[in-house]
Amino acid sequence: EPEVTQTPSHQVTQMGQEVILRCVPISNHLYFYWYRQILGQKVEFLVSFYNNEISEKSEIFDDQFSVERPDGSNFTLKIRSTKLEDSAMYFCASSADLQETQYFGPGTRLLVL
Amino acid sequence: KNEVEQSPQNLTAQEGEFITINCSYSVGISALHWLQQHPGGGIVSLFMLSSGKKKHGRLIATINIQEKHSSLHITASHPRDSAVYICAVWGGSEKLVFGKGTKLTVNP
Repeated sequence: EPEVTQTPSHQVTQMGQEVILRCVPISNHLYFYWYRQILGQKVEFLVSFYNNEISEKSEIFDDQFSVERPDGSNFTLKIRSTKLEDSAMYFCASSADLQETQYFGPGTRLLVL
Repeated sequence: KNEVEQSPQNLTAQEGEFITINCSYSVGISALHWLQQHPGGGIVSLFMLSSGKKKHGRLIATINIQEKHSSLHITASHPRDSAVYICAVWGGSEKLVFGKGTKLTVNP
């Protein structure tokens, strides 16, 4: 069964460093998403991406964040100049169409020291 | 802004019991997701529904659009059902709004 994959599974970085989280969505899906979950808190929407551009973003998704689909398979989230409060689990998801079932990747646990 | 409330926050059951988890939301929606988050953190989609009822194995999800309420039921619960169950809604945008989750523990 097709699945969403994410790399790395864990990332430790120093405050101020840049990180890139990678995702490979399900191949025939058209909508891609990033979510984050701070430890002990609820999952929060960051951004949705369709047709090679951001279609919606939350207030969390400020200039520090960017997303890219550099080729036909990868979908990346870049966090410039990481802060301590960026420590969280980051989930990628994809769906075949808008407001259809989203399939989640296993997540990347980011720790900023 | 849609607020999603789940109850209970924590639920402990004995194996074989019938489980109900509730979700209420404040603003009309187009569809609702029930998700399961495993202890390791991974999230699996269980149901997406916009009306009525859906059943998959021992899981049943219902939604009442007029009352802005959905329930997830688990029949004949098993320890492997232990997880966090999350309700998430679409309110007319691409943005899913999540509840805080219900932590279910099923004891043998």
